[in-house]
Amino acid sequence: AQKVTQAQTEISVVEKEDVTLDCVYETRDTTYYLFWYKQPPSGELVFLIRRNSFDEQNEISGRYSWNFQKSTSSFNFTITASQVVDSAVYFCALSDETSGYSTLTFGKGTMLLVSP
Amino acid sequence: DGGITQSPKYLFRKEGQNVTLSCEQNLNHDAMYWYRQDPGQGLRLIYYSQIVNDFQKGDIAEGYSVSREKKESFPLTVTSAQKNPTAFYLCASSGTTPFAFSNQPQHFGDGTRLSIL
Repeated sequence: AQKVTQAQTEISVVEKEDVTLDCVYETRDTTYYLFWYKQPPSGELVFLIRRNSFDEQNEISGRYSWNFQKSTSSFNFTITASQVVDSAVYFCALSDETSGYSTLTFGKGTMLLVSP
Repeated sequence: DGGITQSPKYLFRKEGQNVTLSCEQNLNHDAMYWYRQDPGQGLRLIYYSQIVNDFQKGDIAEGYSVSREKKESFPLTVTSAQKNPTAFYLCASSGTTPFAFSNQPQHFGDGTRLSIL
C-alpha cells in the first residue's frame, strides 16, 4: 500500500527565514508521481509541482525549490525567504501507476505559519 | 475562466437526512474525484470517476453515493448511513492523456463544509 508521511505537523517561522517541509513516501511501484499542493485558509488546494519517479532533478521556481531523492524516498520542499502569504497547509501526495489517471494518496499536511 | 465550482459552501444536515453536494467543472476533464478532509488529517478519497457513467469506490466510500451522468458534473450524496459526516469535502478533476506514466495534476474546487444540526 502507498503511504505518505509528513512528520512536521506545524512549523512557525519569521518572515524572510528559509523553511523546509519534509515528505517521505512508500510505494511498491517503480513508476509513480509525487505532488505538492498548498491549501490557504480559503480552503481550495493549489497545485504546486508534479514530479515523476524517473526525474530526480531538483527543481526551482522562484522562491520554491524541491529536492527529490529516490534513495531516501523523500521529496522535500523548501521556501526561501518566506513571506506571510506563504502561510498555509502544504500537502505532499503520491499517485499510483494507473494509466492516465492520478489517484492520489495524501500526507496529513504541514501547517506553515509565517509571522511578520 | 475554467474551473471547478462546488456548492453550497456550507451545508447542514439533520439526523436521518440525505444531502447532496454539487460539483461542476468546465475544464473538459474526464476524471473527477471526491475527497473528505478532517481537521489535522490529509485528504481521503471517497469516490472517483474516470469517465461518464462509471465510478469507483475510494478508501472511505461507505455512507456515500455518487453519479456521473454528465462529463461536467459529479454530485456526492452523503446518506444517513454516514454516521460522522461533519467534514470539509473537496471535489477535484484531472485531464487524461493516452499515454501511461503521465498522470495529470488534479485541480480542486473551493470545498463544501458539512455540519450536523
